[in-house]
Amino acid sequence: EPEVTQTPSHQVTQMGQEVILRCVPISNHLYFYWYRQILGQKVEFLVSFYNNEISEKSEIFDDQFSVERPDGSNFTLKIRSTKLEDSAMYFCASRLYGNTEAFFGQGTRLTVV
Amino acid sequence: AQSVTQPDIHITVSEGASLELRCNYSYGATPYLFWYVQSPGQGLQLLLKYFSGDTLVQGIKGFEAEFKRSQSSFNLRKPSVHWSDAAEYFCAVINAGKSTFGDGTTLTVKP
Repeated sequence: EPEVTQTPSHQVTQMGQEVILRCVPISNHLYFYWYRQILGQKVEFLVSFYNNEISEKSEIFDDQFSVERPDGSNFTLKIRSTKLEDSAMYFCASRLYGNTEAFFGQGTRLTVV
Repeated sequence: AQSVTQPDIHITVSEGASLELRCNYSYGATPYLFWYVQSPGQGLQLLLKYFSGDTLVQGIKGFEAEFKRSQSSFNLRKPSVHWSDAAEYFCAVINAGKSTFGDGTTLTVKP
């Protein structure tokens, strides 16, 4: 069964460093998402992406965040200068055009020290 | 705006007992509703979903949920809980592909 793949599963970075979280969505999906879950809290929407541009973003998704689909398969989330409070699990999701169900990856746990 | 409320932060049940986790939603049109389970440090596993049709939906691991439009609810049930069901459970509603999650309910299973 096709699945959304995220790498790495766990990343540790120093405060102020840039990180790139990578996702490979399901191959024929057209809509892509990033969500964040701070430890012990709920899953929060960050951004949605369609047709090579951001279609919606939340208040959390400020200027230090960016997303890109650099090639036909990857979808990345970049955090330019990480802060301690960026420590969280980040989930990527994708969905097929016309299908409202989104498929989630297993997440990347980001720890900022 | 859509929203999801899970009134119970933490529920403890004995192994073999029945379980009901509550979920209330706020959404203007017919909602697309989901239940996910998450073990500590792990990803989200889809238990079941409701799009339309039969209001009682069956999921994996013996779970079921009932959509009640009159009560704006989508409660998750299991007739007999196993120790391995201990986890965090999230209800979610989808609108145009964007998911809104509830705060989650932590399930503890007593031996």
